[in-house]
Amino acid sequence: GAGVSQSPRYKVTKRGQDVALRCDPISGHVSLYWYRQALGQGPEFLTYFNYEAQQDKSGLPNDRFSAERPEGSISTLTIQRTEQRDSAMYRCASSLDTGLYNEQFFGPGTRLTVL
Amino acid sequence: AQSVTQPDIHITVSEGASLELRCNYSYGATPYLFWYVQSPGQGLQLLLKYFSGDTLVQGIKGFEAEFKRSQSSFNLRKPSVHWSDAAEYFCAVGASKAAGNKLTFGGGTRVLVKP
Repeated sequence: GAGVSQSPRYKVTKRGQDVALRCDPISGHVSLYWYRQALGQGPEFLTYFNYEAQQDKSGLPNDRFSAERPEGSISTLTIQRTEQRDSAMYRCASSLDTGLYNEQFFGPGTRLTVL
Repeated sequence: AQSVTQPDIHITVSEGASLELRCNYSYGATPYLFWYVQSPGQGLQLLLKYFSGDTLVQGIKGFEAEFKRSQSSFNLRKPSVHWSDAAEYFCAVGASKAAGNKLTFGGGTRVLVKP
């Protein structure tokens, strides 16, 4: 009966390093979403998947950000050559499918700090 | 493009008093509206949602919200606040199924509860 899990919960890295953030959705959920939440702001959409297919990546800020979900379950958000402005809470959510009557369930988030 | 505005960044309310959080949205079609709560160290939890039908919707934890199309608003209310309601509250509008149901969030309202 696990919910959405994310790891690590906290990540501190130095500028210029690459980081990989993991999301493990609720079993059987088709859709998976990534959001970024800066301090004092609401979450902002980054990208989403249906099964293994990335359907929309319009929210990714630049080409340093990428995401994959190779087997339609676990997803990884990768940030290359991190910058201080990448510091934020990264949230993952999953839903049964993209029907509007399916709630998005959010994970606890990964707090990324870039020094 | 859809957008959500939460005019109040902080609200302080006494325990037992009523609470109302404001939310205004901009969306080109029939909006799908949500309220989420974020407690410290927790993920986002859905309080309630509006898709269609009765404009007064009931949610969990004693919360309700009223959809007013003429005012483009979806305000959240609770008649009597408990200390455990201290948290950050986010209003969100959901994109159409064709757009993947991605959520656009407001900036949030932080609620402080005085004893």
